[in-house]
Formats: sequence, C-alpha cells, structure tokens
Amino acid sequence: KNEVEQSPQNLTAQEGEFITINCSYSVGISALHWLQQHPGGGIVSLFMLSSGKKKHGRLIATINIQEKHSSLHITASHPRDSAVYICAVPSGYALNFGKGTSLLVTP
Amino acid sequence: DVKVTQSSRYLVKRTGEKVFLECVQDMDHENMFWYRQDPGLGLRLIYFSYDVKMKEKGDIPEGYSVSREKKERFSLILESASTNQTSMYLCASSPLPDRGLMGQPQHFGDGTRLSIL
Repeated sequence: KNEVEQSPQNLTAQEGEFITINCSYSVGISALHWLQQHPGGGIVSLFMLSSGKKKHGRLIATINIQEKHSSLHITASHPRDSAVYICAVPSGYALNFGKGTSLLVTP
Repeated sequence: DVKVTQSSRYLVKRTGEKVFLECVQDMDHENMFWYRQDPGLGLRLIYFSYDVKMKEKGDIPEGYSVSREKKERFSLILESASTNQTSMYLCASSPLPDRGLMGQPQHFGDGTRLSIL
C-alpha cells in the first residue's frame, strides 16, 4: 500500500502569509490529488497533477515524481482558506488519502 | 456539475439496528466509493464498486456490506450497528480511468454523521 504522509498536521497563519503544505508518498504514481474540506462541509477536488506545477487562483501545486513529493502553496492567505487540505494517490480504482493538514488563517 | 447526494446529513441509531446509508450520483460514473472519516485517521475506504452488482472490499469492510443494483445508487449497510461505527460517512463517485491514468478525481457527497447509541 502506498503510504501517504502530510506535514504539518496543523497550521495557523496570519492573513496574507504564504503557506506551504507538504505531501510525500512511498510508491511511484501516475498522478497525485489535492483536496479541500471546509468545516462541516463536503470534500472538493482542487488539483490532479502528474508532473510540474498547476495553478488555480492563489493555489499552486507542485510535484517532484523522482523524490515522491508534492507541495500545495497558498499565496496571500485569507481566512476563507481555513480548511483541511488532503493529498491522495491512486490505489487501483480508489485513492489512498493522507490524514490531512488543518489550516487556520486568522485576520 | 456532478452531484453526489447522500440521503441524510445526520442520523442517530441504536446498537444492534440495521442501518442503511444511501448515495445517488447523477453523472453516470462507473465507480462509487464509501469512506468513513475519523479524527486523526483520515479517510478510510470501506467498499467500492466499479459496476452494477460488482463490489470490492476496501481497507475496513468488517461490519459493513454494500449494494449496487443500479448504476447511480450505492448503498452502505451496517448489518448490526455498534458504537464503534459512530463516524462521518462519505460517498464518492468517479469515472473510469482515462487512458490508463488510474485514480480519477472523485466527487464527494456532503457526508452523513452517524451516531450509534
């Protein structure tokens, strides 16, 4: 089974700060997913990437396939970015999820 | 937009009851999944289905069964509910792998918070 590790587990930042969340995995993959879960809310898919970098608004995801590592960056963070961020890798038809990083952005 | 609908947001049942959690998706996806989410443990796969009447065990199938009689509907059944099955249950769906790229993005329902007393 592909072990997925995220760091940090919890993160508090002030509004406007640049944020980085890390994800590493143990077995080579074809693609990696980043997802977001707001408090009390459902889970939405942010990115699926297999190489390089993807950008959506203030969110940037990067992946280094050789090092089995991905990062999710948030630029100019805002309180509405407060959520749990989860990375996941394919496991057959399913996904294997990290335990998530809980982010709190304070005004 | 893909919509995955779970029948209840909150549910309270008693120990020993048979519990049904229903999930419906409207995007004609082949794959459907049931997860439970617990603090500190993340999302864990209970069962998934890649076609009507087909099912595969996930990481924690004990105490659960599933039913997929129609493509759009995937039901999770707790045969005899126990207190350790108190959890958040999430249903998801995804299309088949695209050009062999396994693990397509999954679309999640809002979850059912189940309490077993």
